[in-house]
Amino acid sequence: EVQLLESGGGLVQPGGSLRLSCAASGFTFSNYVMSWVRQAPGQGLEWVSGISGSGGSTYYVDSVKGRLTISRDNSKNTLYLQMNSLRAEDTAVYYCAKTRGDGPAAINYWGQGTLVTVSS
Amino acid sequence: AIRMTQSPSSFSASTGDRVTITCRASQGISSYLAWYQQKPGKAPKLLIYAASTLQSGVPSRFSGSGSGTDFNLTISCLQSEDFATYYCQQYYSYPFTFGPGTKVDIK
Repeated sequence: EVQLLESGGGLVQPGGSLRLSCAASGFTFSNYVMSWVRQAPGQGLEWVSGISGSGGSTYYVDSVKGRLTISRDNSKNTLYLQMNSLRAEDTAVYYCAKTRGDGPAAINYWGQGTLVTVSS
Repeated sequence: AIRMTQSPSSFSASTGDRVTITCRASQGISSYLAWYQQKPGKAPKLLIYAASTLQSGVPSRFSGSGSGTDFNLTISCLQSEDFATYYCQQYYSYPFTFGPGTKVDIK
């Protein structure tokens, strides 16, 4: 059974940093593109970042480039999102997501989400 | 970035209705389109990928169609558990953008 378990969310001041983790199990982690998708309170879904199975290719939405960094440790089956220079508009539930393959593909599994709140 | 739009943004329907939601991409995306269902407080669930392929375990009353820029999600006979918000997403090019969502509620 595929499981994705996020951790690391919480309250942080504007300009601060946070590191999200996603522990994956139930599939061969290194074979799949992984993504982070966020949802601000009462709003729609926003794809934030993706990383290839090897970790060699990373992708970001423009609004987070230079501030958020996606990475993965295939030996630990873990996905990360390092979040720096956080802004109020980064407040959202962050979902870890597994795609259907190691290439452009739909998301077939989601974690339960972790809430990040950026506020003073 | 490719912009996704959906129509309508929300509507009310009754159990048993046939409903169709439309998604449009700002440029051609071939069939690199997925549909998701989300209920309040829950993670989204994949319904359709490759524009028309039903995800395993999803009821056959859900169907998808379209290619290029125009896509539809149809629910042939709405059930009580289908009242939710539906999102389309393109995965043709990064960033993989979502539509703004269509909320289906009970009439």
